Amino acid sequence: GQNIDQPTEMTATEGAIVQINCTYQTSGFNGLFWYQQHAGEAPTFLSYNVLDGLEEKGRFSSFLSRSKGYSYLLLKELQMKDSASYLCAVIDSNYQLIWGAGTKLIIKP
Amino acid sequence: GAVVSQHPSWVICKSGTSVKIECRSLDFQATTMFWYRQFPKQSLMLMATSNEGSKATYEQGVEKDKFLINHASLTLSTLTVTSAHPEDSSFYICSARVLAGDFNEQFFGPGTRLTVL
Repeated sequence: GQNIDQPTEMTATEGAIVQINCTYQTSGFNGLFWYQQHAGEAPTFLSYNVLDGLEEKGRFSSFLSRSKGYSYLLLKELQMKDSASYLCAVIDSNYQLIWGAGTKLIIKP
Repeated sequence: GAVVSQHPSWVICKSGTSVKIECRSLDFQATTMFWYRQFPKQSLMLMATSNEGSKATYEQGVEKDKFLINHASLTLSTLTVTSAHPEDSSFYICSARVLAGDFNEQFFGPGTRLTVL
């Protein structure tokens, strides 16, 4: 079966760095998304990786290793507004989106 | 986690025809279902929010007469794209939310890929 695993919840301190991991087992791979979702709002796009390596975008970076079925989202200089759920999603060979359950990130002062 | 299914997974249709997409919560009752549209490498764009038994609330810029939403039960919502045109080709994703006490979580479907010729 197809599966995406990410931690249910993480806690970090304001100003620190946090890494949210995502491992996937899917039938084929056509890209991986990271989304941020604040409670009661629609998810917002953070990154899209289809090739191996690190993509940096401001305070957020996303890494992909296709051979390992692994990705992580790195958040630097954490701010209180970064408290949200972070969703990992993979597009499989049929171009279907397979969603992770999301990681709830709690930022403490 | 809870499972949300969509049917069909993909559909190709001729311009001018209507297409119905179903969204089902398989093992839970969803008080609210959301319909999103996704363009390549972009955020999900919320189209509408529907609560069971009431009319859907559409986001600004979304034509309610073109995108008909019916939320007939706590486990089923349908989106009908009427008189589809090539610019309607997109990935349509639904999600379902459970609201019980203080448990408020949203589960996403696998999406429906619509191609209008």
